[in-house]
Amino acid sequence: DIQMTQSPASLSASLGETVTIECLASEDIYSNLAWYQQKPGKSPQLLIYDASSLQDGVPSRFSGSESGTQYSLEINSLQSEDAATYFCQQHHDYPYTFGAGTKLELK
Amino acid sequence: QIQLVQSGPELKKPGESVKISCKASGYTFTDYAMHWVKQVPGKGLKWMGWINTYTGKPTYADDFKGRFVFSLEASASTANLQISNLKNEDTANVFCAREDYGSGVMDAWGQGASVTVSS
Repeated sequence: DIQMTQSPASLSASLGETVTIECLASEDIYSNLAWYQQKPGKSPQLLIYDASSLQDGVPSRFSGSESGTQYSLEINSLQSEDAATYFCQQHHDYPYTFGAGTKLELK
Repeated sequence: QIQLVQSGPELKKPGESVKISCKASGYTFTDYAMHWVKQVPGKGLKWMGWINTYTGKPTYADDFKGRFVFSLEASASTANLQISNLKNEDTANVFCAREDYGSGVMDAWGQGASVTVSS
């Protein structure tokens, strides 16, 4: 199975700041990576697919990038509603696997 | 609008069975695959597998072979997950999520169904 190592496990940032969350794949996943946002008591919501494509309706302050097997989610100009847990997911091969999640807290 | 509406919370005893439904609306049911994802409260997401809503063929992740069955009521645009011989470790929220065939991306999710297994 492809392992997705996500970091950090948690972070705290202030309104207006920029944060970066990373996922390292255990092998090449050829940009087949998605990012999801999950708020407490809610289901995950798709933010980014194919490593850097923004899902319809998602604010442009969210962006994705890649470098080799390292994938990043950047959130610019943090808003209060961005407080959530973020997960990466590879869809290159079965079984699909998720990162362990990053809990983002707003100061 | 696109909606996946799951059945309500379930409280079961070890050894019992449970059936969770996921009713789709707002799109053509057979145009999208349906995935199932497990989340233990406060923990991460684990992919359980998926079902081809056109052919009915299921694919299970290794940890979900044997006691787990994906099925369809295509005429009702509904996907079902049945878990038999429930164990304490099956306690979780279970989500259904649709995928545009071949994209690998789950672009719409159900609200989740809570399953609690306790004696």
